[in-house]
Amino acid sequence: KNEVEQSPQNLTAQEGEFITINCSYSVGISALHWLQQHPGGGIVSLFMLSSGKKKHGRLIATINIQEKHSSLHITASHPRDSAVYICAVMEYGNKLVFGAGTILRVKS
Amino acid sequence: DTGVSQDPRHKITKRGQNVTFRCDPISEHNRLYWYRQTLGQGPEFLTYFQNEAQLEKSRLLSDRFSAERPKGSFSTLEIQRTEQGDSAMYLCASSPAFGRSYNEQFFGPGTRLTVL
Repeated sequence: KNEVEQSPQNLTAQEGEFITINCSYSVGISALHWLQQHPGGGIVSLFMLSSGKKKHGRLIATINIQEKHSSLHITASHPRDSAVYICAVMEYGNKLVFGAGTILRVKS
Repeated sequence: DTGVSQDPRHKITKRGQNVTFRCDPISEHNRLYWYRQTLGQGPEFLTYFQNEAQLEKSRLLSDRFSAERPKGSFSTLEIQRTEQGDSAMYLCASSPAFGRSYNEQFFGPGTRLTVL
């Protein structure tokens, strides 16, 4: 069993829809990261959180430490949001352990 | 500072050849990480430096792989006697040891390796 599980693996949405991507993990962590990866490979950090909720523009990330679960929400989705979204956890130490990613496609 | 840079961006090589990749982290970030990402998968940890010290290596890092960070700034990742299974995107990231962005990792654009 992978230490970090994401769902869904693939997601297609219509422009304007509310999107949720889920992440569950099985190890103790010091922080959880949500990352965005566009075709070509570049990875951008969206959020790093260890408790509660963070919001940046149309993106919201939440984490429940007790349930070992995090969600990434995108409100009013847009085709430019199309990308791979990756959940990664930082174990006690410094390395990141990544989920397999969720491929999001937003159609206009 | 323009962020983490990696060179080359793409490398095509024949099986059995040696390749070397370079990563320049964000200035004053003393932590540097190498990851490998194969098609359709999330990245996997390879190794981690704090300053010039290599503090952790994954078991994925076989004897053919070696990484250095001689002066605590840029790092190199060398793969000897490349195999087709080494084809992947090699990602570098850096992070500061303190401050507001502590533990946040900033990624480079990656080096895509294709072994023929």
